[in-house]
Amino acid sequence: AQTVTQSQPEMSVQEAETVTLSCTYDTSESDYYLFWYKQPPSRQMILVIRQEAYKQQNATENRFSVNFQKAAKSFSLKISDSQLGDAAMYFCAYRSARGNQFYFGTGTSLTVIP
Amino acid sequence: ETGVTQTPRHLVMGMTNKKSLKCEQHLGHNAMYWYKQSAKKPLELMFVYNFKEQTENNSVPSRFSPECPNSSHLFLHLHTLQPEDSALYLCASTSSGSRYNEQFFGPGTRLTVL
Repeated sequence: AQTVTQSQPEMSVQEAETVTLSCTYDTSESDYYLFWYKQPPSRQMILVIRQEAYKQQNATENRFSVNFQKAAKSFSLKISDSQLGDAAMYFCAYRSARGNQFYFGTGTSLTVIP
Repeated sequence: ETGVTQTPRHLVMGMTNKKSLKCEQHLGHNAMYWYKQSAKKPLELMFVYNFKEQTENNSVPSRFSPECPNSSHLFLHLHTLQPEDSALYLCASTSSGSRYNEQFFGPGTRLTVL
């Protein structure tokens, strides 16, 4: 089975600054999708950004961008101009292109300091 | 709020009780999932239903019994649970035919077993 590793259980960032959350994964497949999900306290998990493995260009969604390094099996999330509303648990997830099963990391708790 | 709803939002039950969790999705998806979320652990996939057919059962104890009467509804029947089953139970859905297959999550049911 694929594994997803988030090595930073907790991170903090000053408001308006930039923070990078790390994610690595293990797979023998070449075609897959990667996702970052955000789970605010007591609120629903929502999709932040996604990346197709066959695309070399890094995905960007407003203040959120990824650094996808396929050879290194690394998929980090960069949050620019951090806002108080960015405080949440962030989960990295992997899905094979061939199946419906998702694999999640243990999450990184992000604190934004005013 | 996404198109995936879960009821109840909170549930406290004794070990001898029988209860059910309900999930409903209004997104026209054809795959639905149950996850268990415990602190400091990855999301644990429990069951996957694709077009109402169970396609994954991740070695879940028989005290958890899923039911998927149609593509929009998913239940998790609980009986004779253990205190270690206390967790947040998340329902998710996705469309098998979509390009990215990202999952949409419900708000979860916070279960406490006494």
